Amino acid sequence: NAGVTQTPKFRVLKTGQSMTLLCAQDMNHEYMYWYRQDPGMGLRLIHYSVGEGTTAKGEVPDGYNVSRLKKQNFLLGLESAAPSQTSVYFCATCGGSGSYNEQFFGPGTRLTVL
Amino acid sequence: GENVEQHPSTLSVQEGDSAVIKCTYSDSASNYFPWYKQELGKRPQLIIDIRSNVGEKKDQRIAVTLNKTAKHFSLHITETQPEDSAVYFCAASGGSNYKLTFGKGTLLTVNP
Repeated sequence: NAGVTQTPKFRVLKTGQSMTLLCAQDMNHEYMYWYRQDPGMGLRLIHYSVGEGTTAKGEVPDGYNVSRLKKQNFLLGLESAAPSQTSVYFCATCGGSGSYNEQFFGPGTRLTVL
Repeated sequence: GENVEQHPSTLSVQEGDSAVIKCTYSDSASNYFPWYKQELGKRPQLIIDIRSNVGEKKDQRIAVTLNKTAKHFSLHITETQPEDSAVYFCAASGGSNYKLTFGKGTLLTVNP
């Protein structure tokens, strides 16, 4: 059981380049989330999905797009990277069944935009 | 939307002392309040959580209290150890999409 995995672990981009971050889970969870973590800012929600084929905006969605074509995968895209998107990105999942709310986090992707 | 304030931002204690971290939230509909521990370079991991129908919960050296009327909740760590040193985040959640709103974190340092 791998749990929640993220690809890649590290990436350096130049301003204007694009990339896609992959979050994969084998927990059969319905809910998936993308956060960014910046020093002193905590974790801020970018986008989330409540099930296969659905996506919704979080607190800081600008400059990002997402897709959830398969239940187990949640993709985060940066179409034209900017230095302000330098951050650590975490994916999380939640079973959402009954009253169980715990979110399980992936190991993170450290992205630097030059 | 929900807003979560967390204090203090840094906390330094001697080994064996207690540590208390406090959070307030704004949305009275929030009903789930987890605490996450994040060690340097690692992912956040849940250490304890509490639901709005409970006032206090304990798990060995850690406890969480919730005051729904005042909309605040606190993490208490007793008999602190150096391995408790980490960043701690509180969060609040309500509604059917299980979204979490996080506080900005507290860097806890336990000095030997």
